[in-house]
Amino acid sequence: KQEVTQIPAALSVPEGENLVLNCSFTDSAIYNLQWFRQDPGKGLTSLLLIQSSQREQTSGRLNASLDKSSGRSTLYIAASQPGDSATYLCAALYANDYKLSFGAGTTVTVRA
Amino acid sequence: NAGVTQTPKFQVLKTGQSMTLQCAQDMNHNSMYWYRQDPGMGLRLIYYSASEGTTDKGEVPNGYNVSRLNKREFSLRLESAAPSQTSVYFCASSGSLAGQITDTQYFGPGTRLTVL
Repeated sequence: KQEVTQIPAALSVPEGENLVLNCSFTDSAIYNLQWFRQDPGKGLTSLLLIQSSQREQTSGRLNASLDKSSGRSTLYIAASQPGDSATYLCAALYANDYKLSFGAGTTVTVRA
Repeated sequence: NAGVTQTPKFQVLKTGQSMTLQCAQDMNHNSMYWYRQDPGMGLRLIYYSASEGTTDKGEVPNGYNVSRLNKREFSLRLESAAPSQTSVYFCASSGSLAGQITDTQYFGPGTRLTVL
């Protein structure tokens, strides 16, 4: 079974600290890896998409890396702000069925 | 440009009642999806439609039916609601070209359903 795991389930950091969010997947035959943000009571917003041929993607203070061989992706958020408080989900799109498999998410709290 | 819209936002049903969740997108996407989100379990795919006129089962299709009404609209029907279907339901769409199921998915705001 294709599983995506995010550890820890929750994280609390002081404002200004860099955030490191982890995502692991069991099958390296992925097509791409996506990171989403979800605010309480809201839908998901796409942050970054990394194709299987890429090692990383960057958008502003966000940087996501992908290591297929080890089955890992990491989302870095530089200089965290209280507005970064949300749940972050990763999802792997597998090449065999083109369906997204989601992790359960990491809930981040940035303390002012 | 509204993106992906869902109605209703909230719904309470009694066991055995039926209802249809509506979803529409205005991004000319070919692919549309229905997910459910339960605490601690992430999102699970219920059904998807890779293109207009096609639908396929996802991970948890039992108890649901779908209709791809046209390119813009994709509805999810619960024929006989059960308490186990209490969840938050999200619709999503992707792909500006035919078959681009691998593109970023855009999500609606969700429908919070409670079955008593």
